[in-house]
Amino acid sequence: AQSVTQLGSHVSVSEGALVLLRCNYSSSVPPYLFWYVQYPNQGLQLLLKYTSAATLVKGINGFEAEFKKSETSFHLTKPSAHMSDAAEYFCAVRLISNFGNEKLTFGTGTRLTIIP
Amino acid sequence: EAGVVQSPRYKIIEKKQPVAFWCNPISGHNTLYWYLQNLGQGPELLIRYENEEAVDDSQLPKDRFSAERLKGVDSTLKIQPAELGDSAVYLCASSLYSQAEQYFGPGTRLTVT
Repeated sequence: AQSVTQLGSHVSVSEGALVLLRCNYSSSVPPYLFWYVQYPNQGLQLLLKYTSAATLVKGINGFEAEFKKSETSFHLTKPSAHMSDAAEYFCAVRLISNFGNEKLTFGTGTRLTIIP
Repeated sequence: EAGVVQSPRYKIIEKKQPVAFWCNPISGHNTLYWYLQNLGQGPELLIRYENEEAVDDSQLPKDRFSAERLKGVDSTLKIQPAELGDSAVYLCASSLYSQAEQYFGPGTRLTVT
């Protein structure tokens, strides 16, 4: 089965510090991987996606993620946290359902808190 | 360009009552999705439409949930009767085609008392 696991339901970092949100995937085929951000009372917004091209993917708002096949990981990073980065972050994998349909499967999310 | 519009934003009902959620996707988007997001969880797909056809409803609890997308534009998701466990956020998303980027609406937060 294909899935994603997000390590750490809550992460707190100081403003200006490195942000690291962890995501590991399980897939029997080369996966398509995504990171989404959800601000309070809003829908999800795509941050970045990996589709088997470059392993280092740059997204919006200064975020980037690196696909590491040997570690089955797709961790999200940002060099310097900003107060506006406080939100819920979801890792997702596109997989094939039992009925042959493609769909996004999301991790359980990581709530990022920025400490002033 | 307007994003995905959902209404109502919040709904409180008593158990056993019916409830309906409405979604207007981004203009020109052929694919429409309904997701269920429980507290502290990621979204889970309920149903996917390609134009007016439901092409994946394998996760939709059909005993109480129903959905329609008339004319391949707006969509309505209905629950009848609602149960306490249905309290969650119901998200609608749309994309140009099934493998394109999905754009999410703000969701409808349902509370069943």
